[in-house]
Amino acid sequence: EVQLVESGGGLVQPGGSLRLSCAASGFTFSNYDMSWVRQAPGKGLEWVSTITGSGDGTFYADPVKGRFTASRDNSKNTLYLQMNSLRGEDTALYHCARNWGAWGKGTTVTVSS
Amino acid sequence: QSVLTQPPSASGTPGQRVTISCSGSSSNIGSNNVNWFQHLPGTAPKLLIYRSNQRPSGVPDRFSGSKSGTSASLAISGLQSEDEADYYCEAWDDSLNGNVFGTGTKVTVL
Repeated sequence: EVQLVESGGGLVQPGGSLRLSCAASGFTFSNYDMSWVRQAPGKGLEWVSTITGSGDGTFYADPVKGRFTASRDNSKNTLYLQMNSLRGEDTALYHCARNWGAWGKGTTVTVSS
Repeated sequence: QSVLTQPPSASGTPGQRVTISCSGSSSNIGSNNVNWFQHLPGTAPKLLIYRSNQRPSGVPDRFSGSKSGTSASLAISGLQSEDEADYYCEAWDDSLNGNVFGTGTKVTVL
């Protein structure tokens, strides 16, 4: 069974940093591009980032470009999202996804002083 | 601000057919496949349609997708109460060099 479990969310002050993790199981992790998608309170789904299966290609939405970095450790079947210079508008539930047939339930990030 | 536009809401009575549109441009829907997702806020989204008109195994054939030019559509036939959810289209955008989601459509079963 394919499983994706996010962790690492929490409350952080504006300007702070967080690193999200997504533990994958039930499939050959390195064979799949993986993405992060977020949903802010009361808003729709917003694509954040995609990383290729080998990790040599990364893509970012304009609002997070230069602040967020996606990476993966295929030996640990884990996807990461390093989030720096966090802003209030980054407050959201963050999902990881195996493009696009499987999703995790998400981890909540709250940016507030 | 999404580049894929959907109607904010759609509704129907049980058994009816509901269609949701997704309007884009030549850089996204016009040149790439469209995926459709069903989502209940706070839960994991579910892939309903991929490559514009393909259904993953386990998705009922009541759900169908189509694409024409720079627009795509999701149809739900034989509407059921469990179909009440938010629905999103998604596509790769060549100009943005990234994925884009639609604005989302809330389906209500009356």
